[in-house]
Amino acid sequence: LAKTTQPISMDSYEGQEVNITCSHNNIATNDYITWYQQFPSQGPRFIIQGYKTKVTNEVASLFIPADRKSSTLSLPRVSLSDTAVYYCLVANFGNEKLTFGTGTRLTIIP
Amino acid sequence: EAGVTQFPSHSVIEKGQTVTLRCDPISGHDNLYWYRRVMGKEIKFLLHFVKESKQDESGMPNNRFLAERTGGTYSTLKVQPAELEDSGVYFCASSLVGTGGISPLHFGNGTRLTVT
Repeated sequence: LAKTTQPISMDSYEGQEVNITCSHNNIATNDYITWYQQFPSQGPRFIIQGYKTKVTNEVASLFIPADRKSSTLSLPRVSLSDTAVYYCLVANFGNEKLTFGTGTRLTIIP
Repeated sequence: EAGVTQFPSHSVIEKGQTVTLRCDPISGHDNLYWYRRVMGKEIKFLLHFVKESKQDESGMPNNRFLAERTGGTYSTLKVQPAELEDSGVYFCASSLVGTGGISPLHFGNGTRLTVT
């Protein structure tokens, strides 16, 4: 399973766009990149998933360059409720044995 | 749609006792997973059911842990006898069997187990 590396923590002010970058140099051809969000005392919650280029949903955007060795989760106009831990994971179909790293603890400042 | 529910939300037991955790997946989800986070560590995979069959139990720490999913609906995870190092948060997740990509896992809020 590809190992991921992401910043331990980040701070941002309300209303700003936040970009969290994840490195996955050993990503395999059939791996997908998936991001989860976790609030205290809750389980991880799926945010977005992509294979290449750009994916956007109502919550976030995911940018994946052509070499797929990294990805960037973009959260537009963050609010205090976006304070959480964000996990970047890679996995492939048929092997949903997810490997969670340390994640990025995002703190939104009023 | 009801989410993944886990019971109990908290459990405090003494070393050597037995505890059974329960997980009710989202209706229709054939995939069911158990994960756990022990103190200060990362969330780790324990095992994966497809319906009532164990697909992958490579993450189960030892034979004190027994997971079942009779009838392919809810699942239980029994720890017997519990040891101090079993303390942590046990998460259950479920997903549909997808046809492409990774079917998102829907996690419950976990059971916080404290062994004293």
